[in-house]
Amino acid sequence: ILNVEQSPQSLHVQEGDSTNFTCSFPSSNFYALHWYRWETAKSPEALFVMTLNGDEKKKGRISATLNTKEGYSYLYIKGSQPEDSATYLCAPVRSGNTGKLIFGQGTTLQVKP
Amino acid sequence: GAVVSQHPSRVICKSGTSVKIECRSLDFQATTMFWYRQFPKQSLMLMATSNEGSKATYEQGVEKDKFLINHASLTLSTLTVTSAHPEDSSFYICSARTVNEKLFFGSGTQLSVL
Repeated sequence: ILNVEQSPQSLHVQEGDSTNFTCSFPSSNFYALHWYRWETAKSPEALFVMTLNGDEKKKGRISATLNTKEGYSYLYIKGSQPEDSATYLCAPVRSGNTGKLIFGQGTTLQVKP
Repeated sequence: GAVVSQHPSRVICKSGTSVKIECRSLDFQATTMFWYRQFPKQSLMLMATSNEGSKATYEQGVEKDKFLINHASLTLSTLTVTSAHPEDSSFYICSARTVNEKLFFGSGTQLSVL
């Protein structure tokens, strides 16, 4: 069983604050890491797919880093906005099982105006 | 982006009945679809991998006779919860994989079995 931990479980910040959360996973047989953003009553939306150790990806105010050797990824949101309120899920994929995502419990972010 | 339509979004049924959930890729062909289940305050758990034209591959602990999966075309996979019981009440969600291995999710189905 692939143990994926996300922390914190939930987070409340004020509009304009920057924030970050962590995804940790076993580093053995690593193939890729997916980050998803999931708003209530909508479909999870892909943010990043990361594969290389040291990878850093950015999409607007959201960025992510990856450390495959120690098995963690950070997601950063700069200048949080109320529309960033969502649950952020990470899901590593093991080599030989492309497409089979094993999800963490997610970090639920609430941004107050 | 690609769209995956999942229906129904919510279903309430009596214990012992069967419920069918549909997952359609609207603007792309999906040779592979995945079915997940999420219990309250838990993570999305992969139930099975559905390949077009072949039998689904179930994860350990998931009863294949209980959760029937049919992937009859490149745009449609269905999950049937047979003889549903209250413990099957959960959130079920599908995802579809494109030919270039991108994944798109449906919006999920909340099943409540009375």
